[in-house]
Amino acid sequence: QSVLTQPPSVSGAPGQRVTISCTGSSSNIGAGYDVHWYQQLPGTAPKLLVYGNTNRPSGVPDRFSGSKSGTSASLAITGLQAEDEADYYCQSYDSRLTDYVFGTGTMVTFL
Amino acid sequence: QVTLKEFGPALVKPAQSLTLTCSFSGFSLSTTGMSVSWIRQPPGKALEWLALIDWDDDKFYSTSLKTRLTISKDTSKDQVVLTMTNMDPVDTATYYCALVTGATGTAFDYWGQGTLVTVSS
Repeated sequence: QSVLTQPPSVSGAPGQRVTISCTGSSSNIGAGYDVHWYQQLPGTAPKLLVYGNTNRPSGVPDRFSGSKSGTSASLAITGLQAEDEADYYCQSYDSRLTDYVFGTGTMVTFL
Repeated sequence: QVTLKEFGPALVKPAQSLTLTCSFSGFSLSTTGMSVSWIRQPPGKALEWLALIDWDDDKFYSTSLKTRLTISKDTSKDQVVLTMTNMDPVDTATYYCALVTGATGTAFDYWGQGTLVTVSS
Protein backbone atom coordinates (compact mmCIF):
# COMPACT_ATOMS: atom_id res chain seq x y z
CA GLN A 1 0.00 0.00 0.00
CA SER A 2 1.15 3.55 -0.79
CA VAL A 3 2.68 5.62 2.00
CA LEU A 4 1.85 8.87 0.19
CA THR A 5 -1.84 9.75 0.30
CA GLN A 6 -3.64 11.68 -2.43
CA PRO A 7 -7.35 12.47 -2.91
CA PRO A 8 -8.91 9.92 -5.30
CA SER A 9 -10.27 12.63 -7.56
CA VAL A 10 -10.50 16.37 -8.05
CA SER A 11 -12.60 18.21 -10.58
CA GLY A 12 -12.86 21.69 -11.96
CA ALA A 13 -14.39 23.71 -14.75
CA PRO A 14 -12.32 24.63 -17.79
CA GLY A 15 -10.08 27.55 -16.93
CA GLN A 16 -10.30 26.96 -13.18
CA ARG A 17 -7.49 26.19 -10.75
CA VAL A 18 -7.30 22.81 -9.05
CA THR A 19 -4.84 21.51 -6.49
CA ILE A 20 -3.81 17.96 -5.63
CA SER A 21 -2.36 17.20 -2.22
CA CYS A 22 0.21 14.52 -1.39
CA THR A 23 0.44 13.72 2.32
CA GLY A 24 3.42 11.82 3.65
CA SER A 25 5.25 11.49 6.94
CA SER A 26 8.49 12.19 8.77
CA SER A 27 10.27 9.35 6.97
CA ASN A 28 9.64 10.63 3.45
CA ILE A 29 8.46 14.16 2.57
CA GLY A 30 9.00 15.41 6.12
CA ALA A 31 12.55 14.06 6.11
CA GLY A 32 13.43 16.45 3.30
CA TYR A 33 13.28 14.08 0.34
CA ASP A 34 12.23 15.65 -2.92
CA VAL A 35 8.72 15.21 -4.28
CA HIS A 36 8.14 14.62 -7.97
CA TRP A 37 4.87 14.60 -9.90
CA TYR A 38 3.80 12.54 -12.92
CA GLN A 39 0.90 12.86 -15.34
CA GLN A 40 -0.58 9.68 -16.79
CA LEU A 41 -2.97 10.18 -19.70
CA PRO A 42 -5.42 7.32 -20.32
CA GLY A 43 -3.70 4.24 -21.71
CA THR A 44 -0.22 5.74 -21.66
CA ALA A 45 2.90 5.64 -19.52
CA PRO A 46 3.46 8.26 -16.80
CA LYS A 47 5.31 11.41 -17.79
CA LEU A 48 7.46 13.55 -15.47
CA LEU A 49 5.61 16.80 -14.78
CA VAL A 50 7.39 18.40 -11.81
CA TYR A 51 10.69 17.39 -10.20
CA GLY A 52 12.51 18.50 -7.09
CA ASN A 53 9.30 19.85 -5.51
CA THR A 54 8.93 22.90 -7.75
CA ASN A 55 10.79 22.45 -11.05
CA ARG A 56 9.30 21.76 -14.47
CA PRO A 57 11.11 19.78 -17.18
CA SER A 58 11.49 21.48 -20.51
CA GLY A 59 8.22 21.49 -22.44
CA VAL A 60 5.87 21.31 -19.44
CA PRO A 61 3.51 24.31 -19.44
CA ASP A 62 3.83 26.77 -16.57
CA ARG A 63 0.17 26.07 -15.74
CA PHE A 64 1.59 23.24 -13.65
CA SER A 65 3.34 24.17 -10.40
CA GLY A 66 4.53 22.25 -7.38
CA SER A 67 5.07 23.15 -3.74
CA LYS A 68 6.13 21.41 -0.55
CA SER A 69 5.67 22.17 3.13
CA GLY A 70 6.33 19.98 6.13
CA THR A 71 5.13 16.44 5.46
CA SER A 72 2.99 17.38 2.43
CA ALA A 73 3.31 18.55 -1.13
CA SER A 74 0.86 19.94 -3.68
CA LEU A 75 0.46 20.17 -7.41
CA ALA A 76 -1.55 23.08 -8.80
CA ILE A 77 -3.02 23.28 -12.28
CA THR A 78 -4.16 26.74 -13.27
CA GLY A 79 -6.32 27.40 -16.29
CA LEU A 80 -7.57 23.80 -16.48
CA GLN A 81 -7.69 22.48 -20.04
CA ALA A 82 -9.30 19.45 -21.66
CA GLU A 83 -5.97 17.74 -22.18
CA ASP A 84 -5.26 17.93 -18.42
CA GLU A 85 -7.83 15.20 -17.70
CA ALA A 86 -5.52 12.44 -16.47
CA ASP A 87 -4.23 10.62 -13.42
CA TYR A 88 -1.55 12.36 -11.37
CA TYR A 89 0.93 10.69 -9.00
CA CYS A 90 3.39 12.12 -6.49
CA GLN A 91 6.64 10.27 -5.74
CA SER A 92 9.36 10.52 -3.13
CA TYR A 93 11.77 8.35 -1.15
CA ASP A 94 11.10 6.76 2.22
CA SER A 95 14.03 6.27 4.58
CA ARG A 96 12.21 3.85 6.87
CA LEU A 97 11.25 1.53 4.01
CA THR A 98 14.39 2.42 2.00
CA ASP A 99 12.08 2.42 -1.03
CA TYR A 100 11.05 4.87 -3.71
CA VAL A 101 7.36 5.49 -2.99
CA PHE A 102 4.42 6.69 -5.06
CA GLY A 103 1.20 8.34 -4.04
CA THR A 104 -2.21 6.72 -4.30
CA GLY A 105 -3.01 8.73 -7.43
CA THR A 106 -5.57 11.42 -8.26
CA MET A 107 -7.88 11.55 -11.24
CA VAL A 108 -8.53 15.05 -12.55
CA THR A 109 -11.82 15.52 -14.38
CA PHE A 110 -13.96 18.33 -15.67
CA LEU A 111 -17.11 19.32 -13.81
CA GLN B 1 16.69 10.93 -28.07
CA VAL B 2 16.09 8.65 -25.11
CA THR B 3 13.84 5.64 -25.63
CA LEU B 4 13.08 2.62 -23.47
CA LYS B 5 10.99 -0.42 -24.36
CA GLU B 6 9.96 -3.41 -22.31
CA PHE B 7 9.86 -6.96 -23.60
CA GLY B 8 8.50 -10.09 -21.98
CA PRO B 9 5.72 -12.65 -21.94
CA ALA B 10 2.13 -11.43 -21.89
CA LEU B 11 0.99 -14.45 -19.89
CA VAL B 12 2.68 -16.45 -17.14
CA LYS B 13 1.32 -19.25 -14.98
CA PRO B 14 1.14 -19.05 -11.19
CA ALA B 15 4.36 -20.13 -9.46
CA GLN B 16 6.41 -19.55 -12.63
CA SER B 17 9.15 -16.95 -12.93
CA LEU B 18 8.84 -13.80 -15.02
CA THR B 19 11.76 -12.34 -16.97
CA LEU B 20 11.43 -8.87 -18.43
CA THR B 21 13.95 -7.05 -20.59
CA CYS B 22 14.25 -3.29 -20.93
CA SER B 23 16.03 -2.28 -24.13
CA PHE B 24 17.07 1.34 -24.31
CA SER B 25 18.81 3.84 -26.55
CA GLY B 26 19.97 7.42 -26.37
CA PHE B 27 22.06 7.00 -23.21
CA SER B 28 24.65 4.73 -21.65
CA LEU B 29 24.08 3.01 -18.33
CA SER B 30 27.81 3.24 -17.73
CA THR B 31 27.53 7.04 -17.44
CA THR B 32 27.94 8.27 -13.87
CA GLY B 33 24.60 9.09 -12.27
CA MET B 34 22.45 7.01 -14.58
CA SER B 35 20.07 4.38 -13.23
CA VAL B 36 17.26 2.25 -14.62
CA SER B 37 14.29 1.22 -12.54
CA TRP B 38 11.34 -1.12 -12.86
CA ILE B 39 7.89 0.07 -11.78
CA ARG B 40 4.56 -1.72 -12.09
CA GLN B 41 0.90 -0.77 -12.12
CA PRO B 42 -1.92 -3.28 -11.56
CA PRO B 43 -5.02 -2.54 -13.67
CA GLY B 44 -6.81 0.49 -12.26
CA LYS B 45 -4.34 0.86 -9.39
CA ALA B 46 -1.38 2.99 -8.36
CA LEU B 47 2.25 2.78 -9.40
CA GLU B 48 4.61 0.59 -7.36
CA TRP B 49 8.42 0.81 -7.48
CA LEU B 50 10.16 -2.57 -7.79
CA ALA B 51 13.91 -2.28 -8.33
CA LEU B 52 16.75 -0.04 -9.52
CA ILE B 53 20.24 -0.65 -10.89
CA ASP B 54 22.77 2.14 -11.28
CA TRP B 55 25.81 2.88 -13.41
CA ASP B 56 28.07 1.37 -10.76
CA ASP B 57 26.07 -1.88 -10.71
CA ASP B 58 24.57 -1.12 -7.30
CA LYS B 59 21.15 -2.74 -6.96
CA PHE B 60 18.18 -1.72 -4.83
CA TYR B 61 14.92 -3.59 -4.31
CA SER B 62 11.45 -2.98 -2.95
CA THR B 63 11.45 -4.04 0.69
CA SER B 64 8.25 -6.03 0.28
CA LEU B 65 9.37 -7.86 -2.88
CA LYS B 66 13.14 -8.14 -2.55
CA THR B 67 13.17 -11.88 -1.92
CA ARG B 68 11.54 -12.43 -5.33
CA LEU B 69 13.40 -9.90 -7.49
CA THR B 70 16.70 -9.86 -9.33
CA ILE B 71 17.84 -6.96 -11.51
CA SER B 72 20.86 -6.98 -13.79
CA LYS B 73 22.30 -5.01 -16.68
CA ASP B 74 24.19 -5.72 -19.87
CA THR B 75 25.84 -2.45 -20.79
CA SER B 76 27.16 -3.82 -24.09
CA LYS B 77 23.60 -4.61 -25.21
CA ASP B 78 21.97 -1.54 -23.59
CA GLN B 79 19.61 -3.77 -21.65
CA VAL B 80 18.35 -4.18 -18.10
CA VAL B 81 16.71 -7.43 -17.04
CA LEU B 82 14.29 -8.02 -14.17
CA THR B 83 13.41 -11.48 -12.91
CA MET B 84 10.51 -12.03 -10.53
CA THR B 85 10.00 -15.49 -9.06
CA ASN B 86 6.91 -17.32 -7.81
CA MET B 87 4.40 -15.26 -9.78
CA ASP B 88 0.86 -14.91 -8.44
CA PRO B 89 -2.33 -13.51 -9.98
CA VAL B 90 -1.89 -10.39 -7.81
CA ASP B 91 1.28 -9.68 -9.82
CA THR B 92 -0.85 -9.02 -12.90
CA ALA B 93 0.17 -5.53 -13.95
CA THR B 94 1.71 -3.30 -16.57
CA TYR B 95 5.46 -3.32 -15.98
CA TYR B 96 7.44 -0.20 -16.89
CA CYS B 97 11.14 0.48 -17.03
CA ALA B 98 12.23 4.05 -16.39
CA LEU B 99 15.45 6.06 -16.53
CA VAL B 100 16.85 8.17 -13.71
CA THR B 101 19.37 10.55 -15.26
CA GLY B 102 20.30 12.20 -11.97
CA ALA B 103 19.74 15.64 -13.53
CA THR B 104 16.34 15.80 -11.82
CA GLY B 105 17.46 14.18 -8.59
CA THR B 106 15.55 10.99 -7.84
CA ALA B 107 12.83 11.51 -10.45
CA PHE B 108 12.09 8.99 -13.17
CA ASP B 109 12.85 11.13 -16.20
CA TYR B 110 11.88 8.84 -19.06
CA TRP B 111 9.55 5.86 -19.20
CA GLY B 112 8.99 2.98 -21.55
CA GLN B 113 5.52 2.30 -22.92
CA GLY B 114 5.01 -0.59 -20.52
CA THR B 115 4.16 -4.25 -21.05
CA LEU B 116 1.08 -5.95 -19.60
CA VAL B 117 1.77 -9.22 -17.83
CA THR B 118 -1.16 -11.41 -16.82
CA VAL B 119 -0.70 -14.20 -14.30
CA SER B 120 -3.25 -16.93 -14.83
CA SER B 121 -3.44 -20.67 -15.20
